[in-house]
Amino acid sequence: NAGVTQTPKFQVLKTGQSMTLQCAQDMNHEYMSWYRQDPGMGLRLIHYSVGAGITDQGEVPNGYNVSRSTTEDFPLRLLSAAPSQTSVYFCASSSGPNSPLHFGNGTRLTVT
Amino acid sequence: QQQVKQSPQSLIVQKGGIPIINCAYENTAFDYFPWYQQFPGKGPALLIAIRPDVSEKKEGRFTISFNKSAKQFSLHIMDSQPGDSATYFCAATGLADSWGKLQFGAGTQVVVTP
Repeated sequence: NAGVTQTPKFQVLKTGQSMTLQCAQDMNHEYMSWYRQDPGMGLRLIHYSVGAGITDQGEVPNGYNVSRSTTEDFPLRLLSAAPSQTSVYFCASSSGPNSPLHFGNGTRLTVT
Repeated sequence: QQQVKQSPQSLIVQKGGIPIINCAYENTAFDYFPWYQQFPGKGPALLIAIRPDVSEKKEGRFTISFNKSAKQFSLHIMDSQPGDSATYFCAATGLADSWGKLQFGAGTQVVVTP
């Protein structure tokens, strides 16, 4: 059982470039979300989705875009990368309210 | 601003010691408090969780203590082992808005020496 799969594991971008971080889950979870992890800040919610076709903003959504066309996939798009977006990005999924979040192993992004 | 304040930032204990991590919150709408454990290069994984209707919950060597009036909760790792070395995050959310919209603390790096 793969769980939550994130690709790529590492990425280096130049300022202004765009890219898509991929996230896929095989647990048929309705809820999916993206967090960024920065030293001393914990994990902060970027965007989330409670089902295909439904997305909403989290705590730090600026500079990121998401869509949810299928239950399995929840890609995160960086529209124009900035050094402030250097971080480790985690995708997570859950089967419902107060069910455990299952995290992927993260994508480490560096923007130069 | 962080809605869940976690301390200490890091701690080192010897094998068999009891690392204690403390968290505090202000939002009285929070009513679900999970702890996540993260090893290097991995995503966080749920360790244990508590609701405010209980003051203590144990799962193996991990114990959560909860003080509703003080709006504080803590994690104790009993008889700690080197394999417990990891970063621990406390988190909180409200049942009414709980589709995984967790507010995380800043994390505590725990090192257990042999």
